[in-house]
Amino acid sequence: AQTVTQSQPEMSVQEAETVTLSCTYDTSESNYYLFWYKQPPSRQMILVIRQEAYKQQNATENRFSVNFQKAAKSFSLKISDSQLGDTAMYFCAFPLGSGGSNYKLTFGKGTLLTVNP
Amino acid sequence: KAGVTQTPRYLIKTRGQQVTLSCSPISGHRSVSWYQQTPGQGLQFLFEYFSETQRNKGNFPGRFSGRQFSNSRSEMNVSTLELGDSALYLCASREGASGNTIYFGEGSWLTVV
Repeated sequence: AQTVTQSQPEMSVQEAETVTLSCTYDTSESNYYLFWYKQPPSRQMILVIRQEAYKQQNATENRFSVNFQKAAKSFSLKISDSQLGDTAMYFCAFPLGSGGSNYKLTFGKGTLLTVNP
Repeated sequence: KAGVTQTPRYLIKTRGQQVTLSCSPISGHRSVSWYQQTPGQGLQFLFEYFSETQRNKGNFPGRFSGRQFSNSRSEMNVSTLELGDSALYLCASREGASGNTIYFGEGSWLTVV
């Protein structure tokens, strides 16, 4: 079975500092996508960043970047210059299926990130 | 471009009743999926619809059903509500059968009393 593991239930960081959230996954597929979503107190699930497994270059979106280690099946999220608005639950997600009919996301249990002023 | 829109945002139902939740996907997106989020079970996939056909279904009882209309809007229905159905129900859309990125709505909070 394909699983996603987030080993840090909670983390905190000071405003303007950098924090890294960890995620490991298990799959037998060779080509896939990985995602980080954030869920602020409003509870909307917001896409933060995505990584295509066949791309060696790590994805970056402004202050958010990933460290993707395919062989180790590791997909960590780095948030630079943390802002108060980054306070949220962060979920690592891995899709089962390859974009076709059997496509659904498997989520980790989440990491609650608190950014302190 | 408007995002995924869900209605209602909040509702309270009595055990035994039924409920219908509605979802409008991002314009141009033809695939709609539903997820249930609870503190105990986390995020779980319910089902996905594409071109008015259910393509995939999660491990939920038959009380949970859905449908998709020709304009890609989707509804999910839960009959004979149980207390354990209290949850945040998230609707999501992706471009089509080959779209790889899923975008979520704000969710519908269901409380069963």
